[in-house]
Amino acid sequence: DSGVTQTPKHLITATGQRVTLRCSPRSGDLSVYWYQQSLDQGLQFLIQYYNGEERAKGNILERFSAQQFPDLHSELNLSSLELGDSALYFCASSVDGFTPAGELFFGEGSRLTVL
Amino acid sequence: AQSVTQPDIHITVSEGASLELRCNYSYGATPYLFWYVQSPGQGLQLLLKYFSGDTLVQGIKGFEAEFKRSQSSFNLRKPSVHWSDAAEYFCAYSGGGADGLTFGKGTHLIIQP
Repeated sequence: DSGVTQTPKHLITATGQRVTLRCSPRSGDLSVYWYQQSLDQGLQFLIQYYNGEERAKGNILERFSAQQFPDLHSELNLSSLELGDSALYFCASSVDGFTPAGELFFGEGSRLTVL
Repeated sequence: AQSVTQPDIHITVSEGASLELRCNYSYGATPYLFWYVQSPGQGLQLLLKYFSGDTLVQGIKGFEAEFKRSQSSFNLRKPSVHWSDAAEYFCAYSGGGADGLTFGKGTHLIIQP
């Protein structure tokens, strides 16, 4: 158990819909990262938050957004869903905002299926 | 752009045999390198990491990896694999910035009885 909690574990929805994925980081971790894992693209970094503020952006679509709340949990919002958004979405957390410390602790992921 | 290459998509190894998974990276001045393992239906778990110092690093579950700057490689090894080692293995790289880790595509390890 990494200490990172993601909900829901599975989600099935239709094209055009909007969903919200939630992540609770490990106790004491200030930084949250979101990754998308798909068969063709592998693990892609989406976005990082540190102590409530956006720290870095990766390959995140404009239809996607995220935020980190004062209690440090984070939500990833996916809107106008397309079939290609079907993937496993991972949240990871770390103590600080810079990866020289490097160790990311991953949740078990939220599997999104868009029909 | 930084990149991580895992040349082998699938590797099949007999139980008890030795294992080496390859990883190459395009690096910045100070690469930080990691190996993660993902078991089916699970998140990623850190096996080991290299920041600096001794180029041979020991990890959990009997794994080790060797950093070779001249070859831009960070290969993962295990002297004797167990059936429970069957999983997906990811090599990852960080240049030290605030943009998370760059992952390779992964190597799927199959263990034959």
